[in-house]
Amino acid sequence: GESVGLHLPTLSVQEGDNSIINCAYSNSASDYFIWYKQESGKGPQFIIDIRSNMDKRQGQRVTVLLNKTVKHLSLQIAATQPGDSAVYFCAESSWGKLQFGAGTQVVVTP
Amino acid sequence: DAGVIQSPRHEVTEMGQEVTLRCKPISGHNSLFWYRQTMMRGLELLIYFNNNVPIDDSGMPEDRFSAKMPNASFSTLKIQPSEPRDSAVYFCASSLMQGPGNTIYFGEGSWLTVV
Repeated sequence: GESVGLHLPTLSVQEGDNSIINCAYSNSASDYFIWYKQESGKGPQFIIDIRSNMDKRQGQRVTVLLNKTVKHLSLQIAATQPGDSAVYFCAESSWGKLQFGAGTQVVVTP
Repeated sequence: DAGVIQSPRHEVTEMGQEVTLRCKPISGHNSLFWYRQTMMRGLELLIYFNNNVPIDDSGMPEDRFSAKMPNASFSTLKIQPSEPRDSAVYFCASSLMQGPGNTIYFGEGSWLTVV
């Protein structure tokens, strides 16, 4: 029979533009959030994290925003590069156990 | 620094055969996780260990799956007997759990195909 897979939302971004990837989480008790990047054929790679007592955290070319009121997380990538093409996952954690979202496919076009 | 090391990277096996996946966590980490990734279900937590003790195995699909952690530097995930629906990428991950909020680092995965 026909198999149905997860339909990953896709974000197409022009090289050099900024990217914003959004994520809604479900558990209001989650106190730690992580963004991972997964390239084809590889394992998820840590990008940036944020604790629930913060609403913004910046890294190199990346910024994570947390809105606990609406249980929303976003990842902003500045000056998107071809190497940023990947699937991006948000994950929420309560005492070490991570639950992942479905992921967003980011495609960087020249 | 060596990351999480998994073996085999790829395995093709026949239905009914036993499959053993292996993992070496990052040295010094006290928590180890087994995840499964499929197109149908995304990334699912199967089981996690803290200080070599299984803490939560609620994600283990059924009795055909078992996981062990005999010491701090080694874990196995075994499927016996294997079925085609077990085909997936199995990731091992580790972290240093010191309280709420611990970064989990993933291995490169074991790509399993059951025919």
